[in-house]
Order: sequence, then C-alpha cells, then structure tokens
Amino acid sequence: GIQVEQSPPDLILQEGANSTLRCNFSDSVNNLQWFHQNPWGQLINLFYIPSGTKQNGRLSATTVATERYSLLYISSSQTTDSGVYFCAVETDYGQNFVFGPGTRLSVLP
Amino acid sequence: SAVISQKPSRDICQRGTSLTIQCQVDSQVTMMFWYRQQPGQSLTLIATANQGSEATYESGFVIDKFPISRPNLTFSTLTVSNMSPEDSSIYLCSADRGNTGELFFGEGSRLTVL
Repeated sequence: GIQVEQSPPDLILQEGANSTLRCNFSDSVNNLQWFHQNPWGQLINLFYIPSGTKQNGRLSATTVATERYSLLYISSSQTTDSGVYFCAVETDYGQNFVFGPGTRLSVLP
Repeated sequence: SAVISQKPSRDICQRGTSLTIQCQVDSQVTMMFWYRQQPGQSLTLIATANQGSEATYESGFVIDKFPISRPNLTFSTLTVSNMSPEDSSIYLCSADRGNTGELFFGEGSRLTVL
C-alpha cells in the first residue's frame, strides 16, 4: 500500500516564528488532507487539498501531486498551534485514507 | 460540514469486558469509518461501515473483535470485544462528505482497559 512520511517528526518553536511541515507520499493520490490534533485529542480539519495552494489565515498549504508531496506553512505561530499535525491521503485506486506518522509541534511562549 | 458526535467520550473498562461506541452524524453520509489511535501513535483504519451490508475490515482487524453496525445513513456503532490492556486507545469515528471526499472526525472515545 501507499507509504506516507512526514517531516520533521518533532518541532519546537518560539511564539511568533514560522514553520514548514512536509508530507511525502509514495503513490498517486485522489485526496489529501491536513489535520491538527490538539492536546485534548480532537482532530481539526485544516485543509482539503489534493492539489494546488490554499490559505486560511496564518496557515497555508500546497500540494504538488505530480511530485508526491504537500507542505503546510504556519506563520506567526501561537501557543494554541501546539499539537500534532497529520497529513492523510486517499489513493486513486480506492485505498481509504492513510495517515502519516505526524509532526509534533510545540510552540513556547 | 457534517457534525459528528461520539459516546462515550472516555471510559475505563475491565479486562475481558466489551464496550460499544456510538457515532451519530447530523446529516446523511455515504461512508463512515472507524479508526484507532494507540498512545503516541498515528491513526489506523479499522474498518469501513457500510449501510445495509457488513463492514469492510482492514488487514489485522477482524469482525469478532470489532463488530460494527450501520443501521442507517447517520449512525454507526463499534464494539471492542473481550478487551485487554492492549486495546487502550482512542477510537475515532469519521464520515465522508460524499461528493467532495473530505473526511470529518468525531471527538473520539478514549478507552483505558485495566
């Protein structure tokens, strides 16, 4: 099945800093989503982005499907951005959403 | 967007018992999914809950251990049977929005097995 990798595995930032999280996948995908899991365990949808670029406030994401990667940009980070960021992909041969291992982000005040 | 609620939100269970988790979506959805998240790990798909037919299980998960019901287009249950401490996890219900394929999640059910 498809392999999904995320980097870096852990990231510590000072409040106000910017960061880029990466998701690589090993096969063609139909769908790709970015999620934020907050410290209470709730999964929050950030972006549904099988291709192209989207922005939502301080966050933006870019997926280059032909090169099999996606990037999540966080600007002016806040302590509430702390948690784990997951990308999940769905292949075009029908495999259900497969999650990457996640990037654990800690934003320090 | 679909709102998904799960019950219970957390529970502490004794070894050998079974627990049923309920998932309610506020609108009709075609696909519902159950995921498991073991401590410190990512999410792993357990099964796809199909309305009107048996669930489709992923490799490593079996119906006897994780029976699933899907009686209609807004509701599903997952039972964790004959629990052991290794079943201590967060169990998450999710639903596909249909045409867009975007996945939404419930709040999760955190199970601790003693």
